[in-house]
Amino acid sequence: DAKTTQPPSMDCAEGRAANLPCNHSTISGNEYVYWYRQIHSQGPQYIIHGLKNNETNEMASLIITEDRKSSTLILPHATLRDTAVYYCIVRVVFAGGKLIFGQGTELSVKP
Amino acid sequence: DSGVTQTPKHLITATGQRVTLRCSPRSGDLSVYWYQQSLDQGLQFLIQYYNGEERAKGNILERFSAQQFPDLHSELNLSSLELGDSALYFCASSVEGRVDTQYFGPGTRLTVL
Repeated sequence: DAKTTQPPSMDCAEGRAANLPCNHSTISGNEYVYWYRQIHSQGPQYIIHGLKNNETNEMASLIITEDRKSSTLILPHATLRDTAVYYCIVRVVFAGGKLIFGQGTELSVKP
Repeated sequence: DSGVTQTPKHLITATGQRVTLRCSPRSGDLSVYWYQQSLDQGLQFLIQYYNGEERAKGNILERFSAQQFPDLHSELNLSSLELGDSALYFCASSVEGRVDTQYFGPGTRLTVL
């Protein structure tokens, strides 16, 4: 699985968009980008995933650059409840069950 | 609420003891995964079961074992406990064919004294 690099922490004002970057310069053609988040000491929560097209769901948007070497998770209107550690994971879909979590980005949403 | 349940929520025990953590996957999910989260190691994959069979193994110690029962619930057994086994243990489940999208339970916090 490709390695990912994320900033260790970020702040965001409540109501503003939170843009969380992830670098995955060694991603290969059959690897997807996944985002999970973990609110303090709770179980991780799946957010979104994509291959090369931008994706949007009720939680967030995922923007993947054309060369696929980086991506951005966008929370359009961050709330205090979005304060969490966000993990970017790159993997092949049918590679087996292991999710490899890195250190993630600790997002603090402030009033 | 992910639909995955874990019991107990908290467990406090002594070194050398044995404990069993229980997980019930979401209705219809055949795959169960176990993860350990400690302060120094982060979230680490331990093991996966699919419909009763072991499917993938991660950094699981020999003192740890797991199984998945015919009703699809799973148990993680930890024996000869050491202080370093203190951690959050998460169970996750997924639908058939979608191992990449896992739904996590609330976790069991194990404290070994």
